[in-house]
Amino acid sequence: LAKTTQPISMDSYEGQEVNITCSHNNIATNDYITWYQQFPSQGPRFIIQGYKTKVTNEVASLFIPADRKSSTLSLPRVSLSDTAVYYCLVGDVGGGSASKIIFGSGTRLSIRP
Amino acid sequence: DAGITQSPRHKVTETGTPVTLRCHQTENHRYMYWYRQDPGHGLRLIHYSYGVKDTDKGEVSDGYSVSRSKTEDFLLTLESATSSQTSVYFCAISESHRVDSGYTFGSGTRLTVV
Repeated sequence: LAKTTQPISMDSYEGQEVNITCSHNNIATNDYITWYQQFPSQGPRFIIQGYKTKVTNEVASLFIPADRKSSTLSLPRVSLSDTAVYYCLVGDVGGGSASKIIFGSGTRLSIRP
Repeated sequence: DAGITQSPRHKVTETGTPVTLRCHQTENHRYMYWYRQDPGHGLRLIHYSYGVKDTDKGEVSDGYSVSRSKTEDFLLTLESATSSQTSVYFCAISESHRVDSGYTFGSGTRLTVV
């Protein structure tokens, strides 16, 4: 299993860029990296996924170095509404079972005015 | 969330009583999952299903059973509820078990066992 390690919490201010790094030293060849966002009293919501290099969508960017032992979720110009818990997941692309996908405790991001 | 509904949203029950939580989807996805979320533990997989009548255990399956008699419904049963099962329960669906297919989560059921 590729266990992930993230900071427990982070604080930032509106308008800043926020980078959350996830460590996954034991990532396997078939593993994909996925990030989810969870607001209070809601289920997690898919943000972005990637396998290597850089992925960007309308919400965030995901940077993955060549060794894939870590990944960084980048949120540009955050607002108060970005206050949430962010989960990094690493799991088997195919052939594995759902039990191999570990959510972890996530990073609680707090954005201040 | 669109396409996935959990019921009830809140429930208080007494220790030793049976409890069933329901997850209903309208997306016709093959895979369905039950997670529990507790402070300091993130989301932990209880059971999952990869088709009608096909289920398997997750990392915290003790004390829980599941059933899936129709594609759209996945039931989680606590045969004899205990206080340690007080938690928020989330159902999720996906087209495949692959992490890159993305999971869609329901809004959760807050269960309190007194």
